[in-house]
Amino acid sequence: GDSVTQMEGPVTLSEEAFLTINCTYTATGYPSLFWYVQYPGEGLQLLLKATKADDKGSNKGFEATYRKETTSFHLEKGSVQVSDSAVYFCALSDRNTGGFKTIFGAGTRLFVKA
Amino acid sequence: EPEVTQTPSHQVTQMGQEVILRCVPISNHLYFYWYRQILGQKVEFLVSFYNNEISEKSEIFDDQFSVERPDGSNFTLKIRSTKLEDSAMYFCASRSEGGTEAFFGQGTRLTVV
Repeated sequence: GDSVTQMEGPVTLSEEAFLTINCTYTATGYPSLFWYVQYPGEGLQLLLKATKADDKGSNKGFEATYRKETTSFHLEKGSVQVSDSAVYFCALSDRNTGGFKTIFGAGTRLFVKA
Repeated sequence: EPEVTQTPSHQVTQMGQEVILRCVPISNHLYFYWYRQILGQKVEFLVSFYNNEISEKSEIFDDQFSVERPDGSNFTLKIRSTKLEDSAMYFCASRSEGGTEAFFGQGTRLTVV
């Protein structure tokens, strides 16, 4: 079945450092890809999405490009802030999957130090 | 901006008791979901619901669980006889027809004691 694999955390960075969180996926169809963010004690917020190959999703300085050839959707940010500390989930949703459910990776916790 | 609303935000229940978690999806959405996140772990799919019936359920969603859309606005998850291991954050989500992403509620933290 469909699945998402993302790099294990935690990732600890200093403020203004460059962030990359790797994500790869397995899908039988043509999924849409997402990054969700979960701030401490809060719910899941959609950070960005891409719905087809070579699309780049971006939001709040974060970006990720849908790479079909490498089945990847890595999250990047050029300069992280303390307020970016959160858990980041890579996810996919495939129209061919019954009910069009969202499948999540295990999550990567990011700590940003001042 | 429309949002998915879940109540209560936190529920404590005794083992063996029944609980009902409530969700109000976004009003024009047609696909509804429940997910579970045990503390510090991944978000797991429980069930999807469309056209007044379950379209898919996971292995976790056994006979102890049921879902219902009792009226035009609410979507509920019932756990018949709670176990300690049901303690988790439960997220409701909804999606529009033709939409690509699901919108999640803030979650209900269920603690079984």
